[in-house]
Amino acid sequence: AQSVTQLGSHVSVSEGALVLLRCNYSSSVPPYLFWYVQYPNQGLQLLLKYTSAATLVKGINGFEAEFKKSETSFHLTKPSAHMSDAAEYFCAVSETHNNNDMRFGAGTRLTVKP
Amino acid sequence: DTGVSQDPRHKITKRGQNVTFRCDPISEHNRLYWYRQTLGQGPEFLTYFQNEAQLEKSRLLSDRFSAERPKGSFSTLEIQRTEQGDSAMYLCASSSRTGRRSNQPQHFGDGTRLSIL
Repeated sequence: AQSVTQLGSHVSVSEGALVLLRCNYSSSVPPYLFWYVQYPNQGLQLLLKYTSAATLVKGINGFEAEFKKSETSFHLTKPSAHMSDAAEYFCAVSETHNNNDMRFGAGTRLTVKP
Repeated sequence: DTGVSQDPRHKITKRGQNVTFRCDPISEHNRLYWYRQTLGQGPEFLTYFQNEAQLEKSRLLSDRFSAERPKGSFSTLEIQRTEQGDSAMYLCASSSRTGRRSNQPQHFGDGTRLSIL
């Protein structure tokens, strides 16, 4: 079954520094991959998705992620962290177009220091 | 687009009681999903509807859990005889189907946080 592993349950960066959140996936077929962000006491908001088009995917709030098949990775980056980026980030994988088999990682909590 | 709406936002109940949560998806979305999220974890899939049909249920969904979507619009998730282990955030999501091979991402509500005393 498909799965994702998020390396690092907590990441701390300074405001203005590069954000790098790591995600590795396992899938028996070409996957659909997603990054979601969750603020306290809220649901998940889609940041970006990969659906087999361009390998570099641009999302909202200045985030982007690159699909690397050879490394089975889909790491999330942002060139310059903002205080408002502090949240929980989830990587997810699906093997079907209706996403009824979506599997989420355990999440990475991003802290941004002033 | 008013987004996915869930009610109530918080529910506190005693062990053994029954609880029911409601989810109103985005109006044009025909797919609806329920997830459970415990502290420090990602969401875990519970069940999935396409229109009014419940097409898939996770093994996490014991026989104390039942979900319905009677008219293909809103959905309810009921938990009977609640247990301590049921304490979690219950998230609802919806998505549209615009093409057979088109992948439409899920839009999540803010969840219902259930606390069992």
